[in-house]
Amino acid sequence: GENVEQHPSTLSVQEGDSAVIKCTYSDSASNYFPWYKQELGKRPQLIIDIRSNVGEKKDQRIAVTLNKTAKHFSLHITETQPEDSAVYFCAASIEYSSASKIIFGSGTRLSIRP
Amino acid sequence: NAGVTQTPKFQVLKTGQSMTLQCAQDMNHEYMSWYRQDPGMGLRLIHYSVGAGITDQGEVPNGYNVSRSTTEDFPLRLLSAAPSQTSVYFCASSYSAARQTQYFGPGTRLLVL
Repeated sequence: GENVEQHPSTLSVQEGDSAVIKCTYSDSASNYFPWYKQELGKRPQLIIDIRSNVGEKKDQRIAVTLNKTAKHFSLHITETQPEDSAVYFCAASIEYSSASKIIFGSGTRLSIRP
Repeated sequence: NAGVTQTPKFQVLKTGQSMTLQCAQDMNHEYMSWYRQDPGMGLRLIHYSVGAGITDQGEVPNGYNVSRSTTEDFPLRLLSAAPSQTSVYFCASSYSAARQTQYFGPGTRLLVL
């Protein structure tokens, strides 16, 4: 089955600097790669996603890149702010005629230092 | 719309007890799923459903049962609780498939003694 690995598990950056979180997936049939943000004590919420026919997608300070050949994708946050402190999860979605599921990575706890 | 709701918010069980975690959505979503969240292990898929009457196993289905008799509800049953099932449980739904925005419920914190 699909396996998603996420690195690093914790990340601390100075406010204003950039943060990068990387994920790899195992099943080449995966075709949808979302990123979720979970603030302390709250539910995960989608922040950005990318589909396998696109190499890069940007939304203001966040961007995601996808390398299908290498089976890895990354989240980039620029000009980090205190409200970016949270746990971030990558995920990969696989669709077969008999299955439709999302597998999440283990999460990255991002801390922004003032 | 209330979105995705879960009850209870918090539950303490003794080993061997059974219980049902409730999940409901009022967005007419076809796709629903259950995850458990443990420190350092992310969100692990327990079971999912692509529509009423259809369920399938995820990554960690052992010890859990589900059913989907209506579009709105997707309960998760623990038949005989074990301490290893201590976790935070999230229900999620999307319009029709896994490759769409997943809307999560507020979570149920379960402690098994």
